[in-house]
Amino acid sequence: QSVLTQPPSVSAAPGQKVTISCSGSSSNIGNNYVSWYQQLPGAAPKLLIYDNNKRPSGIPDRFSGSKSGTSATLGITGLQTGDEADYFCGTWHASLSIYVFGTGTKVTVL
Amino acid sequence: EVQVLESGGGLVQPGGSLRLSCAASGFSFSDYAMTWVRQAPGKGLEWVSAVSSSGDGTFYADSVKGRFTLSRDNSKNTLSLHMNTLRAEDTAVYYCATARYSSDWYIENWGQGTLVTVSS
Repeated sequence: QSVLTQPPSVSAAPGQKVTISCSGSSSNIGNNYVSWYQQLPGAAPKLLIYDNNKRPSGIPDRFSGSKSGTSATLGITGLQTGDEADYFCGTWHASLSIYVFGTGTKVTVL
Repeated sequence: EVQVLESGGGLVQPGGSLRLSCAASGFSFSDYAMTWVRQAPGKGLEWVSAVSSSGDGTFYADSVKGRFTLSRDNSKNTLSLHMNTLRAEDTAVYYCATARYSSDWYIENWGQGTLVTVSS
């Protein structure tokens, strides 16, 4: 059972911007750094953002991350059809010594 | 190129056992913590287990604690997940991945996954 809450879906037209929220608590997001993962249809997940706002090499700067308090946000600008995917946030839950994922958000490009 | 390749998935009856393996290449395996994440059909991601780079520390989700055992062989660059007393709800694609620490833990390089089906 996911302890991080995300909206089930978001959508926008090509070229537009979408934001995906990830809501947690002081036990997870509030005292830890957040990562984001992209899962294209039929593929394995892929790291998109780590340490709240850092992008691995090869990830375009259209993808950005931020965190405030017990919530985090993923932003995608210049939306492309290839961005249609499921997106998951994740963080370490220090008090339980487990890693937790968000419920996942499906991004649709209209 | 960092690669992790899972194997060992298949069909198993409820109450049965299965061992998943993960072969790593393209990086210094003994320097990395490793983790398993699963995804039930049509569902989200669920973290399963992780092991420290040396193998002396293991962590488990409550849903598998006491039934799954994670181990690694740094001399062979392999990771093993022993799954016992399997249940229908363990049916999922199981992903092996590297876990890295910067300011905090994150899951960096993922394999393509192996499907485990628990059914009679």
